[in-house]
Amino acid sequence: GQSLEQPSEVTAVEGAIVQINCTYQTSGFYGLSWYQQHDGGAPTFLSYNALDGLEETGRFSSFLSRSDSYGYLLLQELQMKDSASYFCAVRGGGDSWGKLQFGAGTQVVVTP
Amino acid sequence: DTAVSQTPKYLVTQMGNDKSIKCEQNLGHDTMYWYKQDSKKFLKIMFSYNNKELIINETVPNRFSPKSPDKAHLNLHINSLELGDSAVYFCASSRSPGLAHEQFFGPGTRLTVL
Repeated sequence: GQSLEQPSEVTAVEGAIVQINCTYQTSGFYGLSWYQQHDGGAPTFLSYNALDGLEETGRFSSFLSRSDSYGYLLLQELQMKDSASYFCAVRGGGDSWGKLQFGAGTQVVVTP
Repeated sequence: DTAVSQTPKYLVTQMGNDKSIKCEQNLGHDTMYWYKQDSKKFLKIMFSYNNKELIINETVPNRFSPKSPDKAHLNLHINSLELGDSAVYFCASSRSPGLAHEQFFGPGTRLTVL
């Protein structure tokens, strides 16, 4: 089976940096995705890491360590509009091929 | 242009009724999915179709029946609705099952069973 763990909530002020960690256990692993979902909205794709290392996309970066079964999403220069839920999701192998298994989500609250 | 659309956006119905949700994508993708998101925001995959063929069928009650008339459309029919079916249902698509890491989601259908 698969399991993912991420913190339930993180609060930070505008302009700060937030790191959302995600640890996973899977029977097969292709990569780790991150999605953002605003209240009342749909999940939107942010990034994907298949290989170890850091991927940067503007203010957001995502990191993966396959040997540690660990990844994180880094949100820099936080803005009010970044208040949302952030989900890590594993693309697994074997019976889980073609499937994304989502974590429970981290609610990020940005305060003025 | 809407990439993935769902209808209806809201659905309020009585227990025991049967209802359908429709989904369409104009991205030219081969693969489509149905997810259920509960009140705690947990996103759980239910079904996936690739080119009209069912490829993922998670453990869901058989009251839920998906149907894909063509690769741009995926519908979800629910029989004998129960209180526990209340949730937001999302349709999503990806270019292929091998590219499942990047999915495009529809706006969701909020189902309330009374």
